[in-house]
Amino acid sequence: QSVLTQPPSVSGAPGQRVTISCTGSGSNIGARYDVHWYQQLPGTAPKLLIYGNNNRPSGVPDRFSGSKSGTSASLAITGLQAEDEADYYCQSYDSSLSGSVFGGGTKLTVL
Amino acid sequence: QVQLVQSGAEVKKPGASVKVSCKASGYTFTTYGISWVRQAPGQGLEWMGWISAYIGNTKYAQKLQGRVTMTTDTSTSTAYMELRSLRSDDTAVYYCARDGGSGYDDSFDIWGQGTMVTVSS
Repeated sequence: QSVLTQPPSVSGAPGQRVTISCTGSGSNIGARYDVHWYQQLPGTAPKLLIYGNNNRPSGVPDRFSGSKSGTSASLAITGLQAEDEADYYCQSYDSSLSGSVFGGGTKLTVL
Repeated sequence: QVQLVQSGAEVKKPGASVKVSCKASGYTFTTYGISWVRQAPGQGLEWMGWISAYIGNTKYAQKLQGRVTMTTDTSTSTAYMELRSLRSDDTAVYYCARDGGSGYDDSFDIWGQGTMVTVSS
């Protein structure tokens, strides 16, 4: 049972827009700790996709965007491409646990 | 370029210990922290703990307290993670990742390639 809750899977057709939610609580996202997002392609290490709620590292396409409100955060992907098929994880800090926490991960399938 | 290179795969028996290394290059090691994250086969990411490369203070996940120790050697820009009393459910890929060094809500911007640790009798 992950501290941050994500849907196990989402899907969309090429060109469409999908969103992935990340729901936390008052001791993590709701406590104003930053949320970060990672993309993990099969058999590879995770890659930082969004940091500080809504910032993209250099090289990440602007098709990827993040937002945060209250105790939840979201990752949006527009103009879906086949290469976006991967697992996506949110991450934040939890003051009750005194450590970082991850969501359970969401598998994105491009139909 | 900025990178983290981890040690190779390990096979251990239950009850043994494992020590994984993570060598940093391309940046000033002591300016950042190192977090360790593991991923069991077919499962999600699990944060294990963090160490400040500058001061050496640590934070560990509650479920691993007492079994894990994280250290750094600033002379070689290398971080280490030792896990003791290994069990079968410790079988996982272990990653090191660079973070901002605050010990709080930093992102993990650079990741090692991962080290597979298999615990089996």
